[in-house]
Amino acid sequence: AQKITQTQPGMFVQEKEAVTLDCTYDTSDQSYGLFWYKQPSSGEMIFLIYQGSYDEQNATEGRYSLNFQKARKSANLVISASQLGDSAMYFCAMSLAGGTSYGKLTFGQGTILTVHP
Amino acid sequence: ETGVTQTPRHLVMGMTNKKSLKCEQHLGHNAMYWYKQSAKKPLELMFVYNFKEQTENNSVPSRFSPECPNSSHLFLHLHTLQPEDSALYLCASSQEGRLGGYRGYTFGSGTRLTVV
Repeated sequence: AQKITQTQPGMFVQEKEAVTLDCTYDTSDQSYGLFWYKQPSSGEMIFLIYQGSYDEQNATEGRYSLNFQKARKSANLVISASQLGDSAMYFCAMSLAGGTSYGKLTFGQGTILTVHP
Repeated sequence: ETGVTQTPRHLVMGMTNKKSLKCEQHLGHNAMYWYKQSAKKPLELMFVYNFKEQTENNSVPSRFSPECPNSSHLFLHLHTLQPEDSALYLCASSQEGRLGGYRGYTFGSGTRLTVV
């Protein structure tokens, strides 16, 4: 079974600085996708970025980039130039390509990010 | 708006009540999901529907009963719940056949349920 681990319950960053949120995963499958979601206090899960297991380049979406290290099974999220609106809970998640787990997301425990002015 | 709409946003119900949560998507997705988010726990997958057929019941108690009348609508019927069922219930949709799609799964804003 797959597992996602986020070891940082909470992180603090100064506005305009960069921050890295850690995520490690465990799966024996070769084909999988890794996702990061942002959940503000309103509850909605907002998609941020996606990395496929066969993608050779790290994914980027605006201020978000995913530092994908396949051999270490890590998929850290880097947020550059933090903004006050980035304060939220961040979830790392994984979906497998085949078998009975196909199409379902497994989530980590989440990291609460607080951006200070 | 994400394209996935959940109603109601908040619900308080007694343990003997019967209520339903509704989820609607008009993204053309063919898979829909119910997730439960409790305090201090990772999101837990409850049910999966692909092409209106239930393909996953993740050991959910029978007091939760899903219904998917078509590929755009998903319900979660609730009856005789327990206080520990209080949580945020999130609905999501995706396009089956892709690895969650490059935009992943689209989530609704959730229904915050309190059982008293």
